[in-house]
This record gives sequence, C-alpha cells and structure tokens, in this order.
Amino acid sequence: EIVMTQFPATLSVSPGERATLSCRASQSVSSNLAWYQQKPGQAPRLLIYGASTGATRIPARFSGSGSGTEFTLTISSLQSEDFAVYYCQQYNNWPLTFGQGTKLEIK
Amino acid sequence: EVQLLESGGGLVQPGGSLRLSCAVSGFTFRNLGMSWVRQTPGKGLEWVSAISGSGDSSNYADSVKGRFTISRDNSKNTLYLQMNSLRAEDTAVYYCAKETPSWGSKFDYWGQGTLVTVSS
Repeated sequence: EIVMTQFPATLSVSPGERATLSCRASQSVSSNLAWYQQKPGQAPRLLIYGASTGATRIPARFSGSGSGTEFTLTISSLQSEDFAVYYCQQYNNWPLTFGQGTKLEIK
Repeated sequence: EVQLLESGGGLVQPGGSLRLSCAVSGFTFRNLGMSWVRQTPGKGLEWVSAISGSGDSSNYADSVKGRFTISRDNSKNTLYLQMNSLRAEDTAVYYCAKETPSWGSKFDYWGQGTLVTVSS
C-alpha cells in the first residue's frame, strides 16, 4: 500500500497570503495525484487531478505541481472560503490511498 | 445536474449486516467507475471499494476485503455496498463517489454521505 503523508498537519495563514501544502508518497505515483478540499459537514470537492490539472470550475488561484513522490498544492491568495481541510489522493495503484489531511486555518 | 444520493445507513450491532445504496442521475452511469469512500467522524478519508462501469471489475481495501461487496445495477442507475460482519471500526460516514471521465480513479462528484454506526 502506498502511504500518503501530508504536511504540515495544520497551516495558519492570513487572508490574501499564499498557502503551500505538501504531500509525499511512499513510492512513486507518477502524476496520478489528486487534491480535494473539504469543509465541515460537506463532501470533499475535487480541486486538482493529474498533479497539476485544475478540475472544472476551480478558481485559478489553486494550482498543483510535482510528480513521482513529492507534490504541492498552492493557493495563491487566500480567500475566506478557502479555509478548510485539504487531502491528497493517489490513484496510481490499488488500494487508492488518501493523505491524512492538512487543516488550513485563519491566522 | 449530477446527483448522488446515498441511503441505507443506520445503527447496527457488531457482526451485523447493512446494505448501502447510491442512486445517481445526471450522467451516463454505465460508462463510469464508482467508489465508496468512508470517513470516521472527525478523521480523514479512507477508500473502501471501487467498481468498473460494466461491473465486471472491483477492488477493495484490505480492511474490508471478504466482508464487503460492491455491486451496481446499471438499469437502475444505482450503486450498492453490502456490508457483512460489521465491526466497531467500520463506524463512519460512507460516501459514494463518481470517477471523472478521464483515466484514473479520482472523484469529481460525491454524495452527501450516509452514517453507519456499529455498536451494541
């Protein structure tokens, strides 16, 4: 099983600033990596797939990069609605696995 | 509009069984793979099981293999998860999730979730 590790566990950032979230895979997943956003009481929302391709109707301030084992989600200028929990997920191998999440909170 | 609506959750005793359903609309169901993903209250996401569009291929997390069975009825646009020999650690919100049209099991639409509680 591929273990996905996200860091930091919690990130405190002020509105308008840039946020950088990291995800590391225990072995290469090529570019088969997705990012999701989840707000309390809601289902996850797909943000990025293929490591860097924005999903439909996702604002341009969300971007993804990386390949192999190291990945980054960047939010260029944080809006109030961006404070949430973010998960990475690899789909290169079965079983599919998620990271444990990064909570993005208001500083 | 794509919609996924889970049902069938509830309280069940350890060792018991439950069947979850996910009724979908707004897309060609038979063309796309589907998964169940669960989330323990206050915790992260855990993929449970996946099934191909035709239903002839499926995969399971080790934690549920041999106890859970995923299936689908493409004539009814419905996904199922039969859960047997339930354990306390199966307590979670269960989401059904639709794969994107492009290759790979990542999910662009999710249901609202149904809560399964395993307790005596």
